Amino acid sequence: GENVEQHPSTLSVQEGDSAVIKCTYSDSASNYFPWYKQELGKRPQLIIDIRSNVGEKKDQRIAVTLNKTAKHFSLHITETQPEDSAVYFCAGAGWAVRGKLIFGQGTELSVKP
Amino acid sequence: DVKVTQSSRYLVKRTGEKVFLECVQDMDHENMFWYRQDPGLGLRLIYFSYDVKMKEKGDIPEGYSVSREKKERFSLILESASTNQTSMYLCASSPDREVDGYTFGSGTRLTVV
Repeated sequence: GENVEQHPSTLSVQEGDSAVIKCTYSDSASNYFPWYKQELGKRPQLIIDIRSNVGEKKDQRIAVTLNKTAKHFSLHITETQPEDSAVYFCAGAGWAVRGKLIFGQGTELSVKP
Repeated sequence: DVKVTQSSRYLVKRTGEKVFLECVQDMDHENMFWYRQDPGLGLRLIYFSYDVKMKEKGDIPEGYSVSREKKERFSLILESASTNQTSMYLCASSPDREVDGYTFGSGTRLTVV
């Protein structure tokens, strides 16, 4: 069935460094890949997404890249700040399942001052 | 400007009780979803609905049922609560016009004792 694998499960970086989280997906029909940030005690919030007709998308310090051939996509955070500390989830969805998102297991990012 | 509202933030119930978790959205979204979130397991889909009075099983439907009598409201029902249903429950909604990201509710942390 559909599956999204996310790595690493935990990531610790120094403030100012870059952080990269990677996901792979199994369903080749998937065409939409959002990333969510969940701060402690709060709801997941959409931070960036990418569709299959695009290879890369940037929003200030955040970027997402997609490799459809290899079926993997990554979140890149540059110049990390302590407020970037959170759990990040990747997800995938396709038209065939009417937008039902399949989530990765989550990555707990810790940015140390 | 909360768009997806879950009726309870924290809930403590006894084993065997029937439990209702309510979710209301004001964005006129067709799709609604119930997930449970457990450490290390990410977000797992319990049930979802694409229309009023319509429901489909997700990955872990055992022990749960749902009700969608109105477009804006999607209820999760634990027929006979058990301790292994202690978890964070997240409701989400999305529009049906295209594959798009979810808007999540704040979550209900349910403890079954």
